[in-house]
Amino acid sequence: QKEVEQDPGPLSVPEGAIVSLNCTYSNSAFQYFMWYRQYSRKGPELLMYTYSSGNKEDGRFTAQVDKSSKYISLFIRDSQPSDSATYLCAPHTGNQFYFGTGTSLTVIP
Amino acid sequence: GAVVSQHPSWVICKSGTSVKIECRSLDFQATTMFWYRQFPKQSLMLMATSNEGSKATYEQGVEKDKFLINHASLTLSTLTVTSAHPEDSSFYICSAERTSGGYNEQFFGPGTRLTVL
Repeated sequence: QKEVEQDPGPLSVPEGAIVSLNCTYSNSAFQYFMWYRQYSRKGPELLMYTYSSGNKEDGRFTAQVDKSSKYISLFIRDSQPSDSATYLCAPHTGNQFYFGTGTSLTVIP
Repeated sequence: GAVVSQHPSWVICKSGTSVKIECRSLDFQATTMFWYRQFPKQSLMLMATSNEGSKATYEQGVEKDKFLINHASLTLSTLTVTSAHPEDSSFYICSAERTSGGYNEQFFGPGTRLTVL
């Protein structure tokens, strides 16, 4: 069983839609949960992170962690064409990172 | 945020030659840096973990004699692809780890696209 499972997509939505990106994981030791955004031909950039269970909001982005079900989500409200990218979840123990395969998102104007 | 740079951003070389890629943390010191490889439309594949002042730790299946890693200072790690072949063509990305608030953050470089002819 992989440490992190993420649907690779691709996911295509119209501009203004609410986007839900999800990962599941198997390791109970994960304490920190990061989301990275990677534009084509660029390195990943840290988008946001949460510690343990709960929600964290940053502008149009909300990260949600449910440790009981080992489920991680990233919601994007009022999606924009500039949000078109690959989104990678990356839970980690505090010392070691594990990356999901990434979900490719396209927001259509 | 923390900035990590990579040089060169892209390189084309002939088969059999060696290519060196530099990864620098510009505004923080990084005891640990990571090297990843990414094929088109695929996720990051960790190649090795580079620790300042010690030998790198390679992931299973990664040839350490082919992918030489040196982490000579707290702000610089280099990856040398020796005797490159077309199958080594890929996008190489480094990241540098910063400890903040008791946990580790990883910041990625912009990547280096290697094409071996």
